[in-house]
Amino acid sequence: KAGVTQTPRYLIKTRGQQVTLSCSPISGHRSVSWYQQTPGQGLQFLFEYFSETQRNKGNFPGRFSGRQFSNSRSEMNVSTLELGDSALYLCASSQGQGPTYEQYFGPGTRLTVT
Amino acid sequence: GNSVTQMEGPVTLSEEAFLTINCTYTATGYPSLFWYVQYPGEGLQLLLKATKADDKGSNKGFEATYRKETTSFHLEKGSVQVSDSAVYFCALSDPTSGTYKYIFGTGTRLKVLA
Repeated sequence: KAGVTQTPRYLIKTRGQQVTLSCSPISGHRSVSWYQQTPGQGLQFLFEYFSETQRNKGNFPGRFSGRQFSNSRSEMNVSTLELGDSALYLCASSQGQGPTYEQYFGPGTRLTVT
Repeated sequence: GNSVTQMEGPVTLSEEAFLTINCTYTATGYPSLFWYVQYPGEGLQLLLKATKADDKGSNKGFEATYRKETTSFHLEKGSVQVSDSAVYFCALSDPTSGTYKYIFGTGTRLKVLA
């Protein structure tokens, strides 16, 4: 069974640009969550999608948005990039919502904003 | 609000030494508790979990017991190996708080020397 895949793995952008990151969950998984990982803040929850609907949202500005498609694939978008957005963005999928279902993480997308 | 506090790293041990990584939590409800491990260049992997007080999670020689009275979930291993070198994250999920989102600690880097 293929794991969670994230594309691209590495990305370099300039301040003010926008970026779209992609996540393909494990086949059959309907929930996709996104996290931002930085050395200073650790892992912070961005949002969770389940059956194409955003079910939970973390404390991030509106520049961070996402969506989920009918095949459960998810994208997150960051507009008007700032230097502080440089981070590893992790996607995790699970069969359902809640701690009963194990989250499987992808390898992440390393975003560098210059 | 809910939070997770882990001991600062890095932790450096010799092979076969005993490992303890402390984790305490604050939660308004009845959370499930997790330990995740992140190897270099990879995403997070679930190591073990416990869903209620006094539960013990165990996997690959690692153990952690859910202690409600001390709000702790310390990770232990009796004899570490070089291959255990990684970053370890304590996390909680508390659906009784109205959200399924996971809250992670800042991570503890473990380095095991041969």
